[in-house]
Amino acid sequence: EAGVVQSPRYKIIEKKQPVAFWCNPISGHNTLYWYRQNLGQGPELLIRYENEEAVDDSQLPKDRFSAERLKGVDSTLKIQPAELGDSAVYLCASSGLAGYSEQFFGPGTRLTVL
Amino acid sequence: ILNVEQSPQSLHVQEGDSTNFTCSFPSSNFYALHWYRWETAKSPEALFVMTLNGDEKKKGRISATLNTKEGYSYLYIKGSQPEDSATYLCAYVGGNTPLVFGKGTRLSVIA
Repeated sequence: EAGVVQSPRYKIIEKKQPVAFWCNPISGHNTLYWYRQNLGQGPELLIRYENEEAVDDSQLPKDRFSAERLKGVDSTLKIQPAELGDSAVYLCASSGLAGYSEQFFGPGTRLTVL
Repeated sequence: ILNVEQSPQSLHVQEGDSTNFTCSFPSSNFYALHWYRWETAKSPEALFVMTLNGDEKKKGRISATLNTKEGYSYLYIKGSQPEDSATYLCAYVGGNTPLVFGKGTRLSVIA
């Protein structure tokens, strides 16, 4: 069974440029999470989807970040425009049960903003 | 602001030593406590999801205990091996809050 797939694995951009990350969860997993991990910190939840509905996005900086999961399967996280402080690892995870059950993580996207 | 604290921040042990780490979290409104292992260049991997006070879970040489009344969980590794080298993360889920991770304990096992 394929795990959670994320792309790209690495991205380097200039500040003020847009960037997008893509995630395909494990087949059949209705719950999808996006996290941001800054150096030396634990992952911080940005948004949680139950199917196509964003049920917890209180920590998503909505001025520049947006996310979508149109058909309740794969998801895209976008930053526009990127700032230097957005440099981090962006992790996607999915789980087979609703709420905050055991999560299966993708390899992450390491973003560097210059 | 919810505080999930992990200690120590990092740890070096010799192969064969047993070790343990601590995760402290708010004791009120508890719902679940997760433990994950994150090896360098790999994805975080779930170890345990614990929900009941007094819970003890075991997977091979790794075990964990949970005390929800005082707000802590211990992760134990018996007979550490070099392949146990990783960052161990705990994450707290409260009744009305999203999942919050600690900063992790970075374990290095020296052969």
